[in-house]
Amino acid sequence: QKEVEQNSGPLSVPEGAIASLNCTYSDRGSQSFFWYRQYSGKSPELIMSIYSNGDKEDGRFTAQLNKASQYVSLLIRDSQPSDSATYLCAVNTNTGNQFYFGTGTSLTVIP
Amino acid sequence: GAVVSQHPSWVICKSGTSVKIECRSLDFQATTMFWYRQFPKQSLMLMATSNEGSKATYEQGVEKDKFLINHASLTLSTLTVTSAHPEDSSFYICSARVGGGTQYFGPGTRLTVL
Repeated sequence: QKEVEQNSGPLSVPEGAIASLNCTYSDRGSQSFFWYRQYSGKSPELIMSIYSNGDKEDGRFTAQLNKASQYVSLLIRDSQPSDSATYLCAVNTNTGNQFYFGTGTSLTVIP
Repeated sequence: GAVVSQHPSWVICKSGTSVKIECRSLDFQATTMFWYRQFPKQSLMLMATSNEGSKATYEQGVEKDKFLINHASLTLSTLTVTSAHPEDSSFYICSARVGGGTQYFGPGTRLTVL
């Protein structure tokens, strides 16, 4: 079992819709969770971090964490074509020194 | 936010030569730096983890004698690809982390070996 799992997609949504990206992790004691966005040919950039159960909102982005279900998600409201990218979920494990990335979900927002 | 730079951003070299890539944390001290490699349309692949002043920890299958990592200070790590071959052509990305927290990525270095 991989430490962090994501559906590779591709996920396509129409412009203006909500895009929902999901991630599960295996280490129940994980403490820190991150979403990165990677445009083709570029390096990943941090979108959000979340540490506590519940929702965290930043502009059009909302991260949701459910530690009991070992599940973290990213919602993108009012999706724009510029949101088309690969989204990487990352988890910092309980030991603090292991940082695992999912394989990423490719999102396409259709104008 | 924290800024990580890489130099060079793009390099072309002849087969058999060595290439050094620098990674710098510009506005923070990084306790740990990571080196990744990414082939087209593939996922990030962690190559090694380095802590300042100690030897790097390489992932399984990564040749430590081929990919030399030096983490001389809390703001600088270097990756040297020795005796590069065409199959080493890839996108090399570093990241830096403060404590056990967020990783911040550099912009990447695209290496082409002829």
